[in-house]
Amino acid sequence: IAGITQAPTSQILAAGRRMTLRCTQDMRHNAMYWYRQDLGLGLRLIHYSNTAGTTGKGEVPDGYSVSRANTDDFPLTLASAVPSQTSVYFCASSDRVGSYNEQFFGPGTRLTVL
Amino acid sequence: GQNIDQPTEMTATEGAIVQINCTYQTSGFNGLFWYQQHAGEAPTFLSYNVLDGLEEKGRFSSFLSRSKGYSYLLLKELQMKDSASYLCAVMDSNYQLIWGAGTKLIIKP
Repeated sequence: IAGITQAPTSQILAAGRRMTLRCTQDMRHNAMYWYRQDLGLGLRLIHYSNTAGTTGKGEVPDGYSVSRANTDDFPLTLASAVPSQTSVYFCASSDRVGSYNEQFFGPGTRLTVL
Repeated sequence: GQNIDQPTEMTATEGAIVQINCTYQTSGFNGLFWYQQHAGEAPTFLSYNVLDGLEEKGRFSSFLSRSKGYSYLLLKELQMKDSASYLCAVMDSNYQLIWGAGTKLIIKP
């Protein structure tokens, strides 16, 4: 693995179903993030984790949950999907939290909720 | 509230110069980032400014004026591969990135 991987690449999901988007990084970065990207809007932060074992809520956390059991993995779960969660989801990581905090992005998961 | 504004779309000619502007109003300021995003791909880092002035990196330069809440990305000697969206993002007082909606740059031969 080089960088950040996300799975699946794309998914079509029925409303009401549970779904987990996977994210793994091999850079030993402390901080990880989940964003959603919708047409005409900037990237919006869903949840973040500054270090393994801790998580925090971003701008649009409702309907989503995360866990950070170890440094490498940061899964995002939709407990009961709704059509408004149709979006492209990006996972990102950075070495640390701080002023210079270049974030590296995974390739994204395109999710459609019907 | 927090707000990042940048033009939705710009068109330029191959070989020319283009300037993409970004204005911001955020809760605190810990730096401004520019990212490039090709269609269907992930954003990739271009530049970071935390002090006023111009940062040059090859064909790309980024300028910051903190007093005006303003930045621009300057792309010189445009190439067809520069066709992409350019995202402006500001790091706020909580060290979280606030993102603009992006500027889609179309390069014509």
